[in-house]
Amino acid sequence: GAVVSQHPSWVICKSGTSVKIECRSLDFQATTMFWYRQFPKQSLMLMATSNEGSKATYEQGVEKDKFLINHASLTLSTLTVTSAHPEDSSFYICSARGTPSLWEGLKLSYNEQFFGPGTRLTVL
Amino acid sequence: DQQVKQNSPSLSVQEGRISILNCDYTNSMFDYFLWYKKYPAEGPTFLISISSIKDKNEDGRFTVFLNKSAKHLSLHIVPSQPGDSAVYFCAASVRTGNQFYFGTGTSLTVIP
Repeated sequence: GAVVSQHPSWVICKSGTSVKIECRSLDFQATTMFWYRQFPKQSLMLMATSNEGSKATYEQGVEKDKFLINHASLTLSTLTVTSAHPEDSSFYICSARGTPSLWEGLKLSYNEQFFGPGTRLTVL
Repeated sequence: DQQVKQNSPSLSVQEGRISILNCDYTNSMFDYFLWYKKYPAEGPTFLISISSIKDKNEDGRFTVFLNKSAKHLSLHIVPSQPGDSAVYFCAASVRTGNQFYFGTGTSLTVIP
């Protein structure tokens, strides 16, 4: 299957600083990447969808100025948590999806996404 | 508003027996459903899916059943193995859409 990596896997920062999380598709070109957030014992909540070369689409209630998403290439998307506060502490997971033709070639439903291993953010 | 619900936060099963994980949804527009498996500190990995045109999909030890009238799906694992111990998330989407709606997960423990 397709491989998605995230870096860093764990980050601790002071309140007020900004943190950048990278999401990379290692063996395929990801035209669409998704960013999720998971609080303890809760489900994964979609934060935003980003298509390469265009602005991200944010879900309702997600502050776009707080969570900056850049999808500058077909293999890399970044999520920057600006001026992080303790309430931003969470598990952030990205996922990626290839082109319809690539997915069809891999016999995947176009809905299927491959997830990264996640990034644990702790803001002190 | 939680559109996908997994009401059992945890489940323990003896090795070799059947594990049944349940999931309910509220949105009748959902037509594609997936199960993901997640180990601690790792991202979810895809397990099995089913579209609304089917009521059953089987892949090895894993079978997903869909009851559209009850808006209910279940994942059966037979026989259960200790390596199956993980958190299982069900997810639902509209086939033509981007967004997945995830349940809160069920932590399965298979006891050797």
